[in-house]
Amino acid sequence: DAKTTQPPSMDCAEGRAANLPCNHSTISGNEYVYWYRQIHSQGPQYIIHGLKNNETNEMASLIITEDRKSSTLILPHATLRDTAVYYCIVRGTYYGGATNKLIFGTGTLLAVQP
Amino acid sequence: EAQVTQNPRYLITVTGKKLTVTCSQNMNHEYMSWYRQDPGLGLRQIYYSMNVEVTDKGDVPEGYKVSRKEKRNFPLILESPSPNQTSLYFCASSLSTQGDSPLHFGNGTRLTVT
Repeated sequence: DAKTTQPPSMDCAEGRAANLPCNHSTISGNEYVYWYRQIHSQGPQYIIHGLKNNETNEMASLIITEDRKSSTLILPHATLRDTAVYYCIVRGTYYGGATNKLIFGTGTLLAVQP
Repeated sequence: EAQVTQNPRYLITVTGKKLTVTCSQNMNHEYMSWYRQDPGLGLRQIYYSMNVEVTDKGDVPEGYKVSRKEKRNFPLILESPSPNQTSLYFCASSLSTQGDSPLHFGNGTRLTVT
C-alpha cells in the first residue's frame, strides 16, 4: 500500500471551510483514497473515499489531483464538533497480501476555533 | 443496527494472565482487522482476516493471536500479556477486501496490563 503524508495539525475558524491536504505520491492506479476521522478516543469514523474523480457526500468533499499524487478533504462549514484527528489512507483492490495492510499513520489534528 | 461490537470496553489485568477481547460484526463482512493505538504512533494494524480461516499478520503481530472460525467473530487473544501491550484496541470490518469497501470500526477496548 502507498504511504500517505499529512500535516500534524491545522486550525480552522468555525463556519469556514476546512481544507485538509494529503500526499500519496506512490499511489498506484487501482488504489482508493480514503478519509476517516477520530474524535477523542472513539473508533475512527468513515468520511469519504474516491479513486480518480472528485467525490461529495453529506459530510465532506474529496478533491483528487489529476496525477492522483495528492488529495484534499474539504469540510465546507466546519463546526466545533468537527474537531478531531483526520486520517488519509490508501487501499488497493488486490485480493490479499500486503495490499490489505491498511496503514493509518498519525493523521492531522484539526482544531476548529470558535 | 449495523455495527462492530467489541467487549469489554475496559480491561485491567496482570502480566501473564491470558485474555481474550471479542469482536463481532452483524453485517456479513468478509474483511476484519485489529488495530492498536498508542500516543504518537497512530493506529497500527495487528492482524487481519480476509475471510473465514484466512488470517495474516499486520505490522505489530508479536504477542497476539487471532482466529476466524466464523464470519462474524474475530477475537484477539493475548496468551501472556505484558505491560507493553497496554493500549487502546480497535476492531474493524469491511464488506469485502476490495478497494472500494469502507472500514467500520468498533468503539474500542482500553487494556491496561500491570
